[in-house]
Amino acid sequence: DQQVKQNSPSLSVQEGRISILNCDYTNSMFDYFLWYKKYPAEGPTFLISISSIKDKNEDGRFTVFLNKSAKHLSLHIVPSQPGDSAVYFCAARNAGGTSYGKLTFGQGTILTVHP
Amino acid sequence: EPEVTQTPSHQVTQMGQEVILRCVPISNHLYFYWYRQILGQKVEFLVSFYNNEISEKSEIFDDQFSVERPDGSNFTLKIRSTKLEDSAMYFCASRGTYNQPQHFGDGTRLSIL
Repeated sequence: DQQVKQNSPSLSVQEGRISILNCDYTNSMFDYFLWYKKYPAEGPTFLISISSIKDKNEDGRFTVFLNKSAKHLSLHIVPSQPGDSAVYFCAARNAGGTSYGKLTFGQGTILTVHP
Repeated sequence: EPEVTQTPSHQVTQMGQEVILRCVPISNHLYFYWYRQILGQKVEFLVSFYNNEISEKSEIFDDQFSVERPDGSNFTLKIRSTKLEDSAMYFCASRGTYNQPQHFGDGTRLSIL
């Protein structure tokens, strides 16, 4: 299932700089996109989401951008902190009539923020 | 902050045995889900549950799998006759209304020997 793809397996950033995590999707029926953060031995923790009717959503240090024509979204973290080091998953929800909100996940990107 | 809790954190079972994974969703949530993540692979959807019935299931969710909400708080996933390839992390999730995000538990690591 390649409907949601995160092409960068890993990203390394210096503390204080911007982290940009990218995600591409192929299914035009996706209407809602989410970013989750995951530490080892824990479940995915919800970070931020965006509806397909918007192109930007901001929450503190986290901003998600959506480019529907390119079927691309990105998560910006500014400034990055060592505690942000984790695996970041992009997920998308299908707006199809029989869907009850199942999420399709990307493979994840390991973010490492160096002090 | 309310959270989804899952038990046990790790389950080791012999192939062919039945296993039940347990979840307590966030109390006022209405939609419940199971996902799994095989080591090195993506998190993948198994089943969604709403209004006391399965609302959607994936191809993975065959006759060996079942879900139940036996009371007002627990949500369980049963695998009737486990196979080696069922070894994975199993995550339970729940959400409130349609435009709210799903919240995940910390998962149960299932190891089939």
